[in-house]
Amino acid sequence: GENVEQHPSTLSVQEGDSAVIKCTYSDSASNYFPWYKQELGKRPQLIIDIRSNVGEKKDQRIAVTLNKTAKHFSLHITETQPEDSAVYFCAASKGGSYIPTFGRGTSLIVHP
Amino acid sequence: GAVVSQHPSWVICKSGTSVKIECRSLDFQATTMFWYRQFPKQSLMLMATSNEGSKATYEQGVEKDKFLINHASLTLSTLTVTSAHPEDSSFYICSANLIGGNTEAFFGQGTRLTVV
Repeated sequence: GENVEQHPSTLSVQEGDSAVIKCTYSDSASNYFPWYKQELGKRPQLIIDIRSNVGEKKDQRIAVTLNKTAKHFSLHITETQPEDSAVYFCAASKGGSYIPTFGRGTSLIVHP
Repeated sequence: GAVVSQHPSWVICKSGTSVKIECRSLDFQATTMFWYRQFPKQSLMLMATSNEGSKATYEQGVEKDKFLINHASLTLSTLTVTSAHPEDSSFYICSANLIGGNTEAFFGQGTRLTVV
């Protein structure tokens, strides 16, 4: 089955800095890669996603890049703000089962 | 976006009793729903895939007789934790995808179960 590795487990930055979270996946058939943000005690919510036919996608301060050859994808957050503090999960899934495999999560702390 | 509602949001029960958690897709139909368990500061661990009108598919190591899943309609799946014990205390969360889509998961708000 699919295996998703996510790093780092904890990331601490100063407000205004950039944050990068990286994930690797094992199943070359995976073709959908979402990123979720989960605030303490709340449900995960999608912040950005990318499909395998695209190398990069950007939405304001958030961007995701995908390298299919190397089987890794990354989340980039620029100009971080304290409200960006949360746990971020990457995931990978493929057509057919649609079952997402989640990374272990990254706790992002943005210091004001 | 699509909305998934999960109830209750928290529950405290005595050891040995059973607890039912409901997961409803409010504005879309979901042939498949997923049930996860999440320990503090850890990732989402898939417990089972709930399929409308058929038996759930459980992940390895998850006891199907302990975690009963019923998906009787296209908008409702239930998870019953039977004979609950303190080690079953956890955050349980469901999700659903739009029919036919390898797309984002819409999550319920989660249920904090505490067994005393």
